[in-house]
Amino acid sequence: KQEVTQIPAALSVPEGENLVLNCSFTDSAIYNLQWFRQDPGKGLTSLLLIQSSQREQTSGRLNASLDKSSGRSTLYIAASQPGDSATYLCAVTGGATNKLIFGTGTLLAVQP
Amino acid sequence: DAGVTQSPTHLIKTRGQHVTLRCSPISGHKSVSWYQQVLGQGPQFIFQYYEKEERGRGNFPDRFSARQFPNYSSELNVNALLLGDSALYLCASSLWTGYGYTFGSGTRLTVV
Repeated sequence: KQEVTQIPAALSVPEGENLVLNCSFTDSAIYNLQWFRQDPGKGLTSLLLIQSSQREQTSGRLNASLDKSSGRSTLYIAASQPGDSATYLCAVTGGATNKLIFGTGTLLAVQP
Repeated sequence: DAGVTQSPTHLIKTRGQHVTLRCSPISGHKSVSWYQQVLGQGPQFIFQYYEKEERGRGNFPDRFSARQFPNYSSELNVNALLLGDSALYLCASSLWTGYGYTFGSGTRLTVV
């Protein structure tokens, strides 16, 4: 059974810092991995999608890497801003339905 | 282009009642999935539909049911509501299963 873990559960950093969020999964037979952002009480906003054949994806200040063999992904946020404050969720797809299996998220607070 | 739209945004129901949640996918997307998110946890998979057929079902009781219409919109129905059904219900659409998911803003259901 696929399980997804995110570390740390919460993170507080001063504005301008670079930071790394971690995601690990137990079954390397994934189809793809997707990072999402969630603001309090809101839906999910897709940040980056990494296909299983890819090693990384970049969008603006965000860079996500994927190492299937070790069951790990990292989300790197450069030059953090207060507007980056949110919960970040990673999810993997795989199996017959390719449903998303989520971690519990990392709550990020960027202090001005 | 319109994103994934969900209605209603908020709903308050009494225990034992029935509720219907609605979702319209992005134009051209043929797959719709439903997720339940309780406070402090990652979303949990409920159903997936592709081309109007059920392609997957999560570990939820039979009180939960769904369907997809010819225009690819979808409904999630929950009968005999329990207090524990209080959650944010999220709809996601994708071109096909596992390609990459776009979420709606969710429906906040409160059961009293």
